[in-house]
Amino acid sequence: DTAVSQTPKYLVTQMGNDKSIKCEQNLGHDTMYWYKQDSKKFLKIMFSYNNKELIINETVPNRFSPKSPDKAHLNLHINSLELGDSAVYFCASSLMAQQETQYFGPGTRLLVL
Amino acid sequence: AQSVTQLDSQVPVFEEAPVELRCNYSSSVSVYLFWYVQYPNQGLQLLLKYLSGSTLVKGINGFEAEFNKSQTSFHLRKPSVHISDTAEYFCAVRGNTGGFKTIFGAGTRLFVKA
Repeated sequence: DTAVSQTPKYLVTQMGNDKSIKCEQNLGHDTMYWYKQDSKKFLKIMFSYNNKELIINETVPNRFSPKSPDKAHLNLHINSLELGDSAVYFCASSLMAQQETQYFGPGTRLLVL
Repeated sequence: AQSVTQLDSQVPVFEEAPVELRCNYSSSVSVYLFWYVQYPNQGLQLLLKYLSGSTLVKGINGFEAEFNKSQTSFHLRKPSVHISDTAEYFCAVRGNTGGFKTIFGAGTRLFVKA
């Protein structure tokens, strides 16, 4: 049973397109996160939701919009994709916002051409 | 605010040799410290964490780390590595008060050679 799942696993698209990445966790966790990992493996938090409420909103372009329809799902929508958006995007979850351990999904590899 | 520095970007080592991956942090408040491992084409997985108490923390796969407050370090060690330990290792820090943001280091690539 997959704890944190992401779809799609790979995403290749043209500049200017709009795309979404979906994340679901079946761990019963309250808090979910989106991270971006660049080509140098540097991992940076983008957003975090706790019980569907946004609690972390890092300095990312407003082309990126997270949506949490319920606490088991956190989707990431990206408008007007740019070359620099190419990266691996990881979803993660933790039991509570204060909970220390995060559980990561397998990642979505986004390539913008 | 917190920050993390992983002092080595790559560490090549022979199988069955010991290894130490270095991590230093800075923070104005007390911290929680973590080591995560990322195998190729996978997400991150927690190896071990320091929250409080004993400064020597044991994790999965035979890894351990020691919290040194005076040196603001949290180095990861394994006495004998296997080929299967080849992966990217991330040190991370989070302040134990206030915000819930975990800051990750840049990663250390451990490459175990036969």
